[in-house]
Amino acid sequence: DTEVTQTPKHLVMGMTNKKSLKCEQHMGHRAMYWYKQKAKKPPELMFVYSYEKLSINESVPSRFSPECPNSSLLNLHLHALQPEDSALYLCASSHPKGLAGGPVTGELFFGEGSRLTVL
Amino acid sequence: GENVEQHPSTLSVQEGDSAVIKCTYSDSASNYFPWYKQELGKRPQLIIDIRSNVGEKKDQRIAVTLNKTAKHFSLHITETQPEDSAVYFCAAKWDTGTASKLTFGTGTRLQVTL
Repeated sequence: DTEVTQTPKHLVMGMTNKKSLKCEQHMGHRAMYWYKQKAKKPPELMFVYSYEKLSINESVPSRFSPECPNSSLLNLHLHALQPEDSALYLCASSHPKGLAGGPVTGELFFGEGSRLTVL
Repeated sequence: GENVEQHPSTLSVQEGDSAVIKCTYSDSASNYFPWYKQELGKRPQLIIDIRSNVGEKKDQRIAVTLNKTAKHFSLHITETQPEDSAVYFCAAKWDTGTASKLTFGTGTRLQVTL
């Protein structure tokens, strides 16, 4: 299984709603990522989890709250979002740096993304 | 942090011609340089990558070159086909602590015309 699965594929929410994006992988990867991609722009890193611990937070507003319940799952909890937060949210996974016996390239495997619209 | 510049932003070539996209990076600690192809509404897909200890890599019609001294790397597509039309992103990876950061270039929209 070389897939990263994201749900839901599409989400429409109001500014007062609370929702969550979910990501799952079964490749044994211990690094997982959230990226945000606006139209016609490159993906921008939001968060990195390594061995289920938050390793990188790219100064993301607190209305985005990541969670890594176990090595296969990654969530992004959304609350009080703004219309400008509408974007494609991409989850990715990889072997983390220094994993003995693992690939050294650090290739990221992306999910298909969750397209979020904030009204 | 890492900064990746990518040129050109748009590129139009005729079918059968070659296409070249160039990127520069700022952090000499970057050690892995993938290229992604993204079609409209779809996820980025890895098409080729190169590690910092390699100068060139080729996979059929696609090749990537890396010049570590100059901190630039390039994507070469030969015998372009209409299905090569997409947005291409270069990226550079560098490691911090136990995690890695992948920073993307700004993207090149490639249009292959008949």
